[in-house]
Amino acid sequence: EPEVTQTPSHQVTQMGQEVILRCVPISNHLYFYWYRQILGQKVEFLVSFYNNEISEKSEIFDDQFSVERPDGSNFTLKIRSTKLEDSAMYFCASSDGSGYSQYFGPGTRLLVL
Amino acid sequence: AQSVTQLGSHVSVSEGALVLLRCNYSSSVPPYLFWYVQYPNQGLQLLLKYTSAATLVKGINGFEAEFKKSETSFHLTKPSAHMSDAAEYFCAVSDPGGYQKVTFGTGTKLQVIP
Repeated sequence: EPEVTQTPSHQVTQMGQEVILRCVPISNHLYFYWYRQILGQKVEFLVSFYNNEISEKSEIFDDQFSVERPDGSNFTLKIRSTKLEDSAMYFCASSDGSGYSQYFGPGTRLLVL
Repeated sequence: AQSVTQLGSHVSVSEGALVLLRCNYSSSVPPYLFWYVQYPNQGLQLLLKYTSAATLVKGINGFEAEFKKSETSFHLTKPSAHMSDAAEYFCAVSDPGGYQKVTFGTGTKLQVIP
């Protein structure tokens, strides 16, 4: 069964450093998303992406964040200058838009020291 | 704006007992509703979804949920709990359309007691 994959599974970085989280969505999907889950809290929407542009973004998704689909298979989330409060599990998801479901990857656990 | 409220952050049931996880939603438009499960140190797996078809929705692993518009509820049930059902369960809502963002509840951790 097709699945969303994410790399790395874990990343530790120093505050102020840039990180790039990578995702490979399901191949025939057209809509892509990033969510995050701070430890002990609920999953929160960050951004959705369609047709090579951002469809919607939350208040969390400020200028420190950016997304890109650099080629036909990868979808990335970049955090330019990480803060302690960026420590969270980051989930990528994809949808074909007609299946009424988003399929989530296993997540990348980011720890900012 | 949509939201979901999950009653009970922790639920304990005995193995073989009925599982009932409660979820109430708030939405200004007819919603799509979902239940996701998260096993320890794993991602989110879709259990089932309601997208305005049948109000009783059957999902994987023997779970089902019933959409009740009059009660704005979408409770998750399973007749007989298994040890393997121990996980965190998230109710979620989105606007209609398969591309809309999903808004999650705070989650309910299910403990199954042998």
